[in-house]
Amino acid sequence: AQKVTQAQTEISVVEKEDVTLDCVYETRDTTYYLFWYKQPPSGELVFLIRRNSFDEQNEISGRYSWNFQKSTSSFNFTITASQVVDSAVYFCALSELTGNQFYFGTGTSLTVIP
Amino acid sequence: DGGITQSPKYLFRKEGQNVTLSCEQNLNHDAMYWYRQDPGQGLRLIYYSQIVNDFQKGDIAEGYSVSREKKESFPLTVTSAQKNPTAFYLCASSPGTSGYEQYFGPGTRLTVT
Repeated sequence: AQKVTQAQTEISVVEKEDVTLDCVYETRDTTYYLFWYKQPPSGELVFLIRRNSFDEQNEISGRYSWNFQKSTSSFNFTITASQVVDSAVYFCALSELTGNQFYFGTGTSLTVIP
Repeated sequence: DGGITQSPKYLFRKEGQNVTLSCEQNLNHDAMYWYRQDPGQGLRLIYYSQIVNDFQKGDIAEGYSVSREKKESFPLTVTSAQKNPTAFYLCASSPGTSGYEQYFGPGTRLTVT
């Protein structure tokens, strides 16, 4: 079974629109960590954020914000006022305290149209 | 600058040849990882290493081999036994294995014909 599900394969928005990327995870651990990465066309994955399972506070960093809800096992990512430079593939990932692996979702390809 | 380097960026090989992909980090991280990414797909773990002289198979280790003789280096060999070696290969490192963010190199795009 998929531990991390990103149901949105591709999203297109017009510049300046807000967009939310969904991430649903599955784990039995009480301590775990969630991540978001950005993969621009160059290919290198860029780390965006890390949250642990005990911290459900929403986080905002500039135009980026993250909504972590344990009740729904979701860790959604919102980009406000999207820009062309936001066009990339975005990956959500899970790391469990009891394991040694990252579990990546299949990614959401975001295209921001000027 | 601290970071992860992978070389070369593009690599071409004939079928039946082994090829070694380089990964070096100067972040003083204990853990290192190799992932494979196919077009339109997510990342799949090939091998990881928690410490020097130790490594573990990931989900798709068949046809690949690694070594970890130095903390900063984790080369990946794609052997002729790998059925579909053409892919984008990403190396990553982290301070530890549980709960730490991974930092990625720029990747190597391998084409085997």
